Amino acid sequence: KAGVTQTPRYLIKTRGQQVTLSCSPISGHRSVSWYQQTPGQGLQFLFEYFSETQRNKGNFPGRFSGRQFSNSRSEMNVSTLELGDSALYLCASSRGHAEETQYFGPGTRLLVL
Amino acid sequence: AQTVTQSQPEMSVQEAETVTLSCTYDTSESDYYLFWYKQPPSRQMILVIRQEAYKQQNATENRFSVNFQKAAKSFSLKISDSQLGDAAMYFCAYRSGVGNQFYFGTGTSLTVIP
Repeated sequence: KAGVTQTPRYLIKTRGQQVTLSCSPISGHRSVSWYQQTPGQGLQFLFEYFSETQRNKGNFPGRFSGRQFSNSRSEMNVSTLELGDSALYLCASSRGHAEETQYFGPGTRLLVL
Repeated sequence: AQTVTQSQPEMSVQEAETVTLSCTYDTSESDYYLFWYKQPPSRQMILVIRQEAYKQQNATENRFSVNFQKAAKSFSLKISDSQLGDAAMYFCAYRSGVGNQFYFGTGTSLTVIP
């Protein structure tokens, strides 16, 4: 069974631009969660989508948004990029129940100049 | 909000020896799940082991085992017969039984010395 895939793997943007990251979950998984990982803040939860609906949301500004499609693929968008948005963005998928393990993708490394 | 604390930023272990990584958490919930994830230099997060809070028996997965102390809210990871491939950042994670959000600790960087 194929794992979680994320595209692109690396991205360089400049301040003020916007970016869209994509995540394809494991087949049959309906939940996709997004995390931001930085050296200073560690792993922080952004949001979770389940069956095309945002089910949980972390404490990030509105510049961070996401959506999920009917095939469970998810996109995350960051508008008006700031230098502090440079991070590794990880997505994780599961079937959606709390007792289940989340499986992570390889991440997208975003550098904002 | 739940918090997860890993008090050891760095640990080292001789190859073939045993090492224990500490994790404590704070919660008022009775239903939850605990995980240890490993993140090698490739940055891919890999599940090491998981524990359901309602289970008294400690989880074991080959060379990896946990010491789950529910009353003390402690969830340590023991790695036996350490191998060079075990070198990675290890994250302890908590997941509520009523929500799906993961709370991660700050991680412990494990070095395995040949």
